[in-house]
Amino acid sequence: QLQLQESGPGLVKPSETLSLTCTVSGGSISSSKYYWGWIRQPPGKGLEWIGSIYYNGNTYYNPSLKSRVTVSVDTSKNQFSLKLSSVTAADTAVFYCARLPSYGGNLLIDYWGQGTLVTVSS
Amino acid sequence: QTVVTQEPSLTVSPGGTVTLTCASTTGAVTSAYYPNWFQQKPGQAPRPLIYSTSKKHSWTPARFSGSLLGGKAALTLSGVQPEDEAEYYCLLYYGGAQLVFGGGTKLTVL
Repeated sequence: QLQLQESGPGLVKPSETLSLTCTVSGGSISSSKYYWGWIRQPPGKGLEWIGSIYYNGNTYYNPSLKSRVTVSVDTSKNQFSLKLSSVTAADTAVFYCARLPSYGGNLLIDYWGQGTLVTVSS
Repeated sequence: QTVVTQEPSLTVSPGGTVTLTCASTTGAVTSAYYPNWFQQKPGQAPRPLIYSTSKKHSWTPARFSGSLLGGKAALTLSGVQPEDEAEYYCLLYYGGAQLVFGGGTKLTVL
């Protein structure tokens, strides 16, 4: 059974960089069938796609966040990571990592991590 | 900026049928947007229900179905159960690599 687990600091100061890692177990992150992505949800609000990465390192970012976001992959550790720079209180959210299959003429999100709350505050 | 619009809230009686829709500011939603639907209950991660307009995951109850309706993606719940009370989000793919979520529909079963 595939599992994704987010990890990282739960509190980040304004203007600093938020860093999270997603560890994938029960499957390989190196498969050409999947993208891996980050999605966030501010408290009481809706979902926002942040960015996705392919196993070969190709990245795709939400245009509204592109200048501040970096997503990277470490196939040796079966992990992928998110960095969001120059954070403000508006970046406070639950951050989810997810698997995005892309084969057989389908595009979808099929597995999500449980999510981790990151609060931006001094 | 692309915006994906859903009904903010809907109410349905137990055993009834309800349709949620998902529209795009870019025009009619087609299968090329690979519409996905997710259910989210408080304190939980979103649960995938439908992908590629109408395909179901192995865990998706039979009472959930997806379609295209009047230029929008649609999620229909038939024979609604009390446990279907939740927030529902649609997701559209733009250009294959850009994703946009709808604002969500809060479904009340009353």
